[in-house]
Amino acid sequence: AQKVTQAQTEISVVEKEDVTLDCVYETRDTTYYLFWYKQPPSGELVFLIRRNSFDEQNEISGRYSWNFQKSTSSFNFTITASQVVDSAVYFCALSEAGGAAGNKLTFGGGTRVLVKP
Amino acid sequence: KAGVTQTPRYLIKTRGQQVTLSCSPISGHRSVSWYQQTPGQGLQFLFEYFSETQRNKGNFPGRFSGRQFSNSRSEMNVSTLELGDSALYLCASSLPAASMNTGELFFGEGSRLTVL
Repeated sequence: AQKVTQAQTEISVVEKEDVTLDCVYETRDTTYYLFWYKQPPSGELVFLIRRNSFDEQNEISGRYSWNFQKSTSSFNFTITASQVVDSAVYFCALSEAGGAAGNKLTFGGGTRVLVKP
Repeated sequence: KAGVTQTPRYLIKTRGQQVTLSCSPISGHRSVSWYQQTPGQGLQFLFEYFSETQRNKGNFPGRFSGRQFSNSRSEMNVSTLELGDSALYLCASSLPAASMNTGELFFGEGSRLTVL
């Protein structure tokens, strides 16, 4: 069975501070995908990134960066120089790779990020 | 390009009733997934439809069902509602790849169901 754990339920920072969100996962699949989604107050989840289990390179996209460490089953997410607009709930998710798995994602419990001006 | 549209956005039902929720995916997307979000259980996968066929199903009782039409629009139905069914029901569509999953889901804003 797959499991995603986001130990931090809520993080509060002041604007321009960096914030790192932790994600630890469990799976018996040899190939899998890891994701981060953002849920703003409006409710819809917004896709941020997908990482294949074979690709352990870290990635940076603007103020966002991701650190994937297969050895520790972690896929952490850092927001640099946070802004008020970054306030949202962030979800880490996991899915088996391959057609049979479809788009069945296992989500973590989410981390609420509050950025204060 | 229009996003994923879910209707109704809010609804209130009483125990024992049934409810039907509708989802219109992004044009060209053939996969539609449904998720339930509650404060206690978080986000949980309900089912996924691709080309009018259920491709995957989560661990929910048979009271939860769905279908997909030839235009890729999808509906989900919950019969004999229970208090615990109160939740935000999210629909997501994805690119039309038949042989692989991408996981890049485009979500609607959800239908918030309250069961009294």
